Amino acid sequence: SQQGEEDPQALSIQEGENATMNCSYKTSINNLQWYRQNSGRGLVHLILIRSNEREKHSGRLRVTLDTSKKSSSLLITASRAADTASYFCAMNRDDKIIFGKGTRLHILP
Amino acid sequence: EAGVTQSPTHLIKTRGQQVTLRCSPISGHTSVYWYQQALGLGLQFLLWYDEGEERNRGNFPPRFSGRQFPNYSSELNVNALELEDSALYLCASSLVWSYNEQFFGPGTRLTVL
Repeated sequence: SQQGEEDPQALSIQEGENATMNCSYKTSINNLQWYRQNSGRGLVHLILIRSNEREKHSGRLRVTLDTSKKSSSLLITASRAADTASYFCAMNRDDKIIFGKGTRLHILP
Repeated sequence: EAGVTQSPTHLIKTRGQQVTLRCSPISGHTSVYWYQQALGLGLQFLLWYDEGEERNRGNFPPRFSGRQFPNYSSELNVNALELEDSALYLCASSLVWSYNEQFFGPGTRLTVL
């Protein structure tokens, strides 16, 4: 299966701390994206990283990609209550896009 | 600019019935994707339409079908509903030949009793 695996499945941290989520995949990809989903709603695109890139930043988000290890990480710095959501990685390869099962992030006040 | 819209927002059906879900993509987007998200699970790719043609299909039985209209809006049809079809059905759109970013609609919550 080409499905990605996020790790951990669930994460609870104190507000203000950093949150790190990981995604691993099995085959080569064109690019990898991270999405956020709030409580059963539609997904919001966060960031895309191409296979020839190693790191990207967007605001409080930092994404890394290690194609040799077939893994990516999403770091959210200085977490806020509004960051509570599920986070999914999505792998693009040719004409397919495969989503992982997601990490449920809960920010504690 | 309006985002991806889906209708209805909620739907309750019984086993064996048929259902049609609708999606309107962002203006200018020609690709539409359908996903199923069962409770507690990730997104499962259902269908991809572009320029009115089915481009790719996920691992779902033939009773899941759809179409894309000339205005790029799309319908997802599910026949002979089963209990396990209960899920959030998400539609997304993107520019043609671009998997760079998919814009998602709010979804349709289908409950099969």
